[in-house]
Amino acid sequence: DAKTTQPTSMDCAEGRAANLPCNHSTISGNEYVYWYRQIHSQGPQYIIHGLKNNETNEMASLIITEDRKSSTLILPHATLRDTAVYYCIVRGETSGSRLTFGEGTQLTVNP
Amino acid sequence: DTEVTQTPKHLVMGMTNKKSLKCEQHMGHRAMYWYKQKAKKPPELMFVYSYEKLSINESVPSRFSPECPNSSLLNLHLHALQPEDSALYLCASSRFGTSGGPETQYFGPGTRLLVL
Repeated sequence: DAKTTQPTSMDCAEGRAANLPCNHSTISGNEYVYWYRQIHSQGPQYIIHGLKNNETNEMASLIITEDRKSSTLILPHATLRDTAVYYCIVRGETSGSRLTFGEGTQLTVNP
Repeated sequence: DTEVTQTPKHLVMGMTNKKSLKCEQHMGHRAMYWYKQKAKKPPELMFVYSYEKLSINESVPSRFSPECPNSSLLNLHLHALQPEDSALYLCASSRFGTSGGPETQYFGPGTRLLVL
């Protein structure tokens, strides 16, 4: 699986959009970008995933650049409950069952 | 419903004790997972069961013994643990768990284990 690079930490004001970047410059054509988050002392929570096109669901939007070398997770109106570690994970057909977490980004939403 | 439940939420055990962690899902998933998460570190895969058969063991010490009695249940039997085994133990499930492509995994809340 391609390696990902994320900032260690980010801050965001409550009510504003939180934009979390992820670099995956070695991603291959059949690899997906997955995002999970983990609120303190809870289990990781699936957020969204995508291959090439931008994706949106009730939690977030995922913007993938045209060359697929980076992506951005957007939380449109961050709340205090969005404070968590956000993991960007690239997974392909050879991943199978494996979900390999990196260090992630600690997002802190401030009042 | 994407709920995975785990019991107990907290567990304290001595190094000579035998205990078990339990995980349950009713989403019809055929793959279940155990992860270990040390403080301030990301989760690390321990075991994968697919169709009730152990498909991945990430070189986990034998003092951890997984069991999958049926497709909805997953146990982790603990025996002669060490203090360094203290961690958050997470269970997850996914639809098939085969090597045919990535699947979304759904996690339980975890069991926080303290070994004294």
